[in-house]
Amino acid sequence: NAGVTQTPKFRILKIGQSMTLQCTQDMNHNYMYWYRQDPGMGLKLIYYSVGAGITDKGEVPNGYNVSRSTTEDFPLRLELAAPSQTSVYFCASRRVGQTIQGNQPQHFGDGTRLSIL
Amino acid sequence: KNQVEQSPQSLIILEGKNCTLQCNYTVSPFSNLRWYKQDTGRGPVSLTIMTFSENTKSNGRYTATLDADTKQSSLHITASQLSDSASYICVVSAPTGANNLFFGTGTRLTVIP
Repeated sequence: NAGVTQTPKFRILKIGQSMTLQCTQDMNHNYMYWYRQDPGMGLKLIYYSVGAGITDKGEVPNGYNVSRSTTEDFPLRLELAAPSQTSVYFCASRRVGQTIQGNQPQHFGDGTRLSIL
Repeated sequence: KNQVEQSPQSLIILEGKNCTLQCNYTVSPFSNLRWYKQDTGRGPVSLTIMTFSENTKSNGRYTATLDADTKQSSLHITASQLSDSASYICVVSAPTGANNLFFGTGTRLTVIP
């Protein structure tokens, strides 16, 4: 199992450009998430999905869009890049359901480092 | 409001020494609390999980404690190693739903030789 794979690892964009951050998982997890992590700050939820065809906004969705056409893939789209979107973006997935100890752990990719100049 | 606060923000210790990281939360209702380790340039990885009925749990040199009454958890690292240098993130879960996770801002631990 590769787990959660994010591409690209690094990217520099100019203001106003658009791009798609790719995320794929091979664990057949229903739940998938996109977070951004700014220096010294915690992970902020951008969007999440409970399954193919179903997405919902998180805490900081403005300026982003997502789609979930398959269980495996959950791309994040930036339409008009702004300097405020400079951040590290993490994709995560987890299995639905509970163990005796509660919900399943999230599995994270290694992030995409995005700079917008 | 559901919040998770961690302290200290950063910590520097000598190799071989012990340290304790703190996590206080106001999440209610409460399901479980996880500690994640995030190495530089990598995504977070789950270290331990604790439910309200558990007081302590160990994973090698990592020992987590939970006091569900005071809504406090700690992560104790024994005999620190250089590889323990990382950020440690406390994540508290409410009982149900996909969007039921509340993240702390993390403690950045640096272990020096």
